Amino acid sequence: QVQLVESGGGLVKPGGSLRLSCAASGFTFTDYYMSWIRQAPGKGLEWVSYISGSGRTIFYADSVKGRFTISRDNAKNSLSLQMDSLGAEDRAVYYCARGGDDRADYWGQGTLVIVSS
Amino acid sequence: DIQMTQSPSSLSASVGDRVTITCRASQTISSYLHWYQQKPGKAPQLLIYTASNLQSGVPSRFSGSGSGTDFTLTISSLQPEDFATYHCQQSYSSPKTFGQGTKVEIK
Repeated sequence: QVQLVESGGGLVKPGGSLRLSCAASGFTFTDYYMSWIRQAPGKGLEWVSYISGSGRTIFYADSVKGRFTISRDNAKNSLSLQMDSLGAEDRAVYYCARGGDDRADYWGQGTLVIVSS
Repeated sequence: DIQMTQSPSSLSASVGDRVTITCRASQTISSYLHWYQQKPGKAPQLLIYTASNLQSGVPSRFSGSGSGTDFTLTISSLQPEDFATYHCQQSYSSPKTFGQGTKVEIK
């Protein structure tokens, strides 16, 4: 069965960096786009970034462009999100999800990022 | 960016009620519209894809319809486990955008 397990969230100071990871299993990883989608407390969902199976196609939301970097290691079935210059507006639960060119059909449990001094 | 607007933002209903949630896109998105269910503290789960296709494992009381700019999610007979927040999402163009969510509460 499809499993997506995020890690790496936590408390970081404004201006700091954090790296999120997602371990995928139960499907052929290279066949799928993968995404990071976030949800600020009490707010709606925002599609942050996605990457194609080959890694050649990448998208970033304007709100994170130039600060976040998505990558994948197909040999390890893993997805990452490097987050730099974090601000209060980045506080959210970050979900790893399968898909990105269309719909997100499987989601991880989420990892919480808190930006606070 | 394509704006997605759901209505209502919340509703109260009883077990057994028929519930309808609407999602409107700011421009035509053909049938590139998907619905998710999210329970408190949990990740969203895909319910309906491409406007009217039921995701595997989702009960048949859920259905979706619409095309162009106006879409509907219907729950034919609300069950206790259906009390949750429902989100629509367009995949017609990037950025993929979501509606603000509709919270279905117990009356």
